[in-house]
This record gives sequence, C-alpha cells and structure tokens, in this order.
Amino acid sequence: DIVLTQSPTTLSVTPGETVSLSCRASHSIGTNLHWYQQKTNESPRLLIKYASQSISGIPSRFSASGSGTDFTLNINNVEFDDVSSYFCQQTQSWPFTFGSGTKLEIK
Amino acid sequence: AVQLVESGGGLVQPKESLKISCAASGFTFSNAAMYWVRQAPGKGLEWVARIRTKPNNYATYYADSVKGRFTISRDDSKSMVYLQMDNLKTEDTAMYYCTAGTDYWGQGVMVTVSS
Repeated sequence: DIVLTQSPTTLSVTPGETVSLSCRASHSIGTNLHWYQQKTNESPRLLIKYASQSISGIPSRFSASGSGTDFTLNINNVEFDDVSSYFCQQTQSWPFTFGSGTKLEIK
Repeated sequence: AVQLVESGGGLVQPKESLKISCAASGFTFSNAAMYWVRQAPGKGLEWVARIRTKPNNYATYYADSVKGRFTISRDDSKSMVYLQMDNLKTEDTAMYYCTAGTDYWGQGVMVTVSS
C-alpha cells in the first residue's frame, strides 16, 4: 500500500500568515494526489485535486503543488475560518490511502 | 446540485450485521464509481470499499480490514449504493461516508459496534 506521510501534525499560526503543509508518498504517485479540508463534525471538503488543480468555490488563498512523492498545500493569509484538519489522499492505486492529517490552529 | 444522503446507521452488537445505504442525485449515477470511506472517532480517514460502473463489470474492491465481511453493491435504476456489513467488530465503529470519487461526499452515517 502507498503510505502518505503528512507534516507537521499540528500547526499553530497567526491570522494573516502563510503556511505550507507537506504530504510525502512512499512511492511515486504522479499527480494523483488530492487535498481535503475537514472541520469538526463535518464531511471532508475537496480543496485541490490532482496535485494542483483548483476547485470551483474554494478561495484562491489555497494552492498546491508537487508530483511524484513530494506535495505541498499552501494557505495564504490564513483566516480564523481555516481552523480544520487537512488531509491528503492518493488515487494512484488501490487501496486509495489518506495521510494522517495536519491540524491547523489559530493563535 | 449533487447530493449523497446516507442512512441506516445505528448501534449493533459485535458479530451482528448492518446494511447502510446512500441515495445519490444531481449527477449521472450510472457513470460514477462509488465508494465508502470511514472515520473512527477522533481518527483519520480510511477507504473501505469501491464499486465501479457497468462497463467495468461492477468490479468491487475492499480494504483488507473489511475483506470477506463487507459487501458493496449498487442499484443504478435507483441511484443507490449500499454497504452490507457482516460479522461487525468494535473496531468498525466509525462515521461512514458515501463518496462519488474525490469531489462529492455525503454527510455521513454513524455505525457503533458495542456490547
């Protein structure tokens, strides 16, 4: 199975900062990597698909890049509403797998 | 708008069975692979099962943790996808989400396995 390792586990930032979240795959997955935001007691929401493709309705503050084994989600100008867990997911091969998540906290 | 609405969750005892359902609307259901993903309380996300479309012979795939115990199925005429869960274990306790690929997720249904 492809293992996705996310870092950091927890991130505490000040509103207005720019943050980068990392997701590393145990094997090359091309660009079959997707990012989700999950707020407490809500379903995951797709933020970015296929490594860097933006999703309609998602603020432009969210962007991502990467291919192969190294991927990054960037959040510009962090807002209080961004308090969530962020997960990466690969659909290169079954079983599709998720990273363990990064929890974003606001100071 | 796309909607995925799960139902059928609840509290069951270990070794019992439960069938959860997902009603889909707002997209061409018969063209979409469908999935079940679960999340144990306070934990991460785990793909449980996948079912492909008719042209792909409705092929099914399962996580090792549920293989032989869970069965995913679909009814294209009703735009429904199901997950039959047999021989349930306490570690199957989770919120179960129905998804249509990466883009669309339901609100989830809670399954609790406890004596």
